[in-house]
Amino acid sequence: ETGVTQSPTHLIKTRGQQVTLRCSSQSGHNTVSWYQQALGQGPQFIFQYYREEENGRGNFPPRFSGLQFPNYSSELNVNALELDDSALYLCASSLRGAVDEQYFGPGTRLTVT
Amino acid sequence: ILNVEQSPQSLHVQEGDSTNFTCSFPSSNFYALHWYRWETAKSPEALFVMTLNGDEKKKGRISATLNTKEGYSYLYIKGSQPEDSATYLCAFRMDSNYQLIWGAGTKLIIKP
Repeated sequence: ETGVTQSPTHLIKTRGQQVTLRCSSQSGHNTVSWYQQALGQGPQFIFQYYREEENGRGNFPPRFSGLQFPNYSSELNVNALELDDSALYLCASSLRGAVDEQYFGPGTRLTVT
Repeated sequence: ILNVEQSPQSLHVQEGDSTNFTCSFPSSNFYALHWYRWETAKSPEALFVMTLNGDEKKKGRISATLNTKEGYSYLYIKGSQPEDSATYLCAFRMDSNYQLIWGAGTKLIIKP
């Protein structure tokens, strides 16, 4: 059973640029959630995808967008990067059901300068 | 605004001692409460998913209780070991909304 993987591990971007972060779900999972974690805070929910459709969104602007592919891997895209977007971005996959236990990847550390 | 609070923010415990910490969450529209352990440089690891008032779950030396009517959960660690050093996070799920609302975590440091 393959765990959740994310790429890249670290990334440095300049304000105004665009970034794409990638996530491969655990085998057999059909749901992926993306989180942003700023230093000293808990993860903040960005959005969730279930079977390639967005299925819930947190309080993030439209420049945060995502995709889920038929193999249930996923991308998080952020346009017009701002300094405050510097954070750890986590993805978590799960099998939609009553419990919905989420399995996390190691995260991508994004620094915006 | 829904809020999940964890206390204390950090905790230093002598090896061998037992400890516990708290997660407070909204008491209305409860669906589930998740506990995770997050070690430095690793991925968050699921410990428990609790759904019923009065639930008690146990995994080795770690256990958790749940009170949905008053909106709190306790995590207990018995006989702390150095490998228990991590940040422990709880996350609240409301109704059938799949969004998890997270606390900021309790950072536990075990002193040998």
